[in-house]
Amino acid sequence: EVQLVESGGGLVQPGGSLRLSCVGSGFIFSGYSMTWVRQAPGKGLEWISHIESGGYNKDYGDSVRGRFTISRDNAENSLYLQMNSLRAEDTAVYYCARLIRYGDSVVFESWGQGTLVTVSS
Amino acid sequence: EIVLTQSPGTLSLSPGERATLSCRASQSVSISSLVWYKQKPGQAPRLLIYGASRRAAGIPDRFSGSGSGTDFTLTISRLEPEDFAVYYCQYYGNSPRVFTFGPGTTVDIK
Repeated sequence: EVQLVESGGGLVQPGGSLRLSCVGSGFIFSGYSMTWVRQAPGKGLEWISHIESGGYNKDYGDSVRGRFTISRDNAENSLYLQMNSLRAEDTAVYYCARLIRYGDSVVFESWGQGTLVTVSS
Repeated sequence: EIVLTQSPGTLSLSPGERATLSCRASQSVSISSLVWYKQKPGQAPRLLIYGASRRAAGIPDRFSGSGSGTDFTLTISRLEPEDFAVYYCQYYGNSPRVFTFGPGTTVDIK
């Protein structure tokens, strides 16, 4: 069974940093692209970052580019999100998800349970 | 930049009724790039439909997707209690790589 477990969320002051982790199990982690998606309280879903299986190609949403860095350690079956210069508007539940390609379609096929990040003084 | 609009914002229906949810893109997109997810309160989203009309594994056949160009539709033929949730459409673009979600449609119990 595919499992993704996020951790590292918590309360941080504006301007601070936090590192989120996502550990995958039940599949060959190194064979899959991964992504981070967030959801502010009571709001919709926002894609924030993507990393290909080898870890070399990375993409970011406009709202986090230059502040957040995605990375992975395939030996540890782990995905990371380093978040710097945090703002109140970064407050959200952060989900990691596994990408699957079905032909030309790319989907977020498995999701973790999410970890809450609260940015507040 | 492609923007997705979903309508209505909220759909109030009774179990057994038919639900029709709309997703409109600001410019024409390929069928393969349009995906639908379902999210229940306190849970992670779940993949429903990919390629605009293909059901993901384990998704019952009362869920169907259709559309092309800029207009896409998710239809739930007969609402079951577990179908009351928020539904998001999503666009995938490859150049540059971007994933854009619509604002969501809430299907709640009338």
